[in-house]
Amino acid sequence: QKEVEQNSGPLSVPEGAIASLNCTYSDRGSQSFFWYRQYSGKSPELIMFIYSNGDKEDGRFTAQLNKASQYVSLLIRDSQPSDSATYLCAVPGSGGSYIPTFGRGTSLIVHP
Amino acid sequence: DVKVTQSSRYLVKRTGEKVFLECVQDMDHENMFWYRQDPGLGLRLIYFSYDVKMKEKGDIPEGYSVSREKKERFSLILESASTNQTSMYLCASSFGLEKLFFGSGTQLSVL
Repeated sequence: QKEVEQNSGPLSVPEGAIASLNCTYSDRGSQSFFWYRQYSGKSPELIMFIYSNGDKEDGRFTAQLNKASQYVSLLIRDSQPSDSATYLCAVPGSGGSYIPTFGRGTSLIVHP
Repeated sequence: DVKVTQSSRYLVKRTGEKVFLECVQDMDHENMFWYRQDPGLGLRLIYFSYDVKMKEKGDIPEGYSVSREKKERFSLILESASTNQTSMYLCASSFGLEKLFFGSGTQLSVL
């Protein structure tokens, strides 16, 4: 069974700092990875996805994938209090299954 | 704008009641999901449907059933609600292996 592991946190960073969120996965065959953000009391929404090794940047967000080490990370530059949320890492289904595997999420707190 | 709509945002039911949670998506997605989310436990899959009338059990199907009579609608049924089913219920849909679109969630309280 595929596993996706995340540190539950909370990760606390000061405003303006870089927040680094990490995720490891067990299935070496995983090809793509998603990062969802979930504000308290709200539903998850996709903020980043990455398919290939290396970095992918979108505004203040950078996703980094290292398939050899089986980890994917999300960096948030110039963190803002509005970034305070839980960040969920997910691996899509594989082997004929459309069921994704989610990590339990890392809680991020950005304090002014 | 894509939409997954859950019928109720908050719901309060009594122990033993039959509860229906409805979810409708307007994106013509084949895949639909029901999750529950509890503090510290993350998202747990209850049921998944990949086509009309087709379903698969997820990680925690006990005490739940589902119905998918039309492609756009996926219903979660609690046959006899119990207090340990108090939770946030999230419906989602997707196309193939693409991202999930989530509804706004239903916070169910069983008293």
